[in-house]
Amino acid sequence: SQQGEEDPQALSIQEGENATMNCSYKTSINNLQWYRQNSGRGLVHLILIRSNEREKHSGRLRVTLDTSKKSSSLLITASRAADTASYFCATVLNQAGTALIFGKGTTLSVSS
Amino acid sequence: GAGVSQSPSNKVTEKGKDVELRCDPISGHTALYWYRQRLGQGLEFLIYFQGNSAPDKSGLPSDRFSAERTGESVSTLTIQRTQQEDSAVYLCASSLMSGVIGEQYFGPGTRLTVT
Repeated sequence: SQQGEEDPQALSIQEGENATMNCSYKTSINNLQWYRQNSGRGLVHLILIRSNEREKHSGRLRVTLDTSKKSSSLLITASRAADTASYFCATVLNQAGTALIFGKGTTLSVSS
Repeated sequence: GAGVSQSPSNKVTEKGKDVELRCDPISGHTALYWYRQRLGQGLEFLIYFQGNSAPDKSGLPSDRFSAERTGESVSTLTIQRTQQEDSAVYLCASSLMSGVIGEQYFGPGTRLTVT
């Protein structure tokens, strides 16, 4: 079963609007990461938040982490058409995990 | 500097044939990962190499799948007797960090189609 599950599966917004994606996971984590994927090929790392952090910012990105609810959210502010992509959360388990466990992703479409 | 590269970018093969996929990680990255992504799905972990340690093969779906890595450089993923369900994009990633995983750098992937 998936460790991380993103919600919603698909999101369509207009340029300039904010986009919020959520991720829930099942077991304790060391850190949680968000990645972007364009056109079904290579992923690009966006941001990493550690289990002892609650919020992190990077440019137009804001990530929150609630370990009590085992959930994270990714907010993209003032979206652009170039933000159109699939977004995945990935978790690293506490116990010397040797790989990231990815969810199925949220597909974001930003129309101009 | 150069990122992670993979070859070929696309591979079409007949069912039952063997295929070999190649990954060149970023120079100096000790950790290397292989993932598989089926259409519309998330990534499935296949195998992990870390330096000279024994690889973590726990994600390999069957004994038809194997992978090797030469030192801290090139890795090859081999799929023997390919089946149609092996059709997917195979992604390679490398990372500087040992121990707890940090940021991973992904290659563009190899799209494998088994006919």
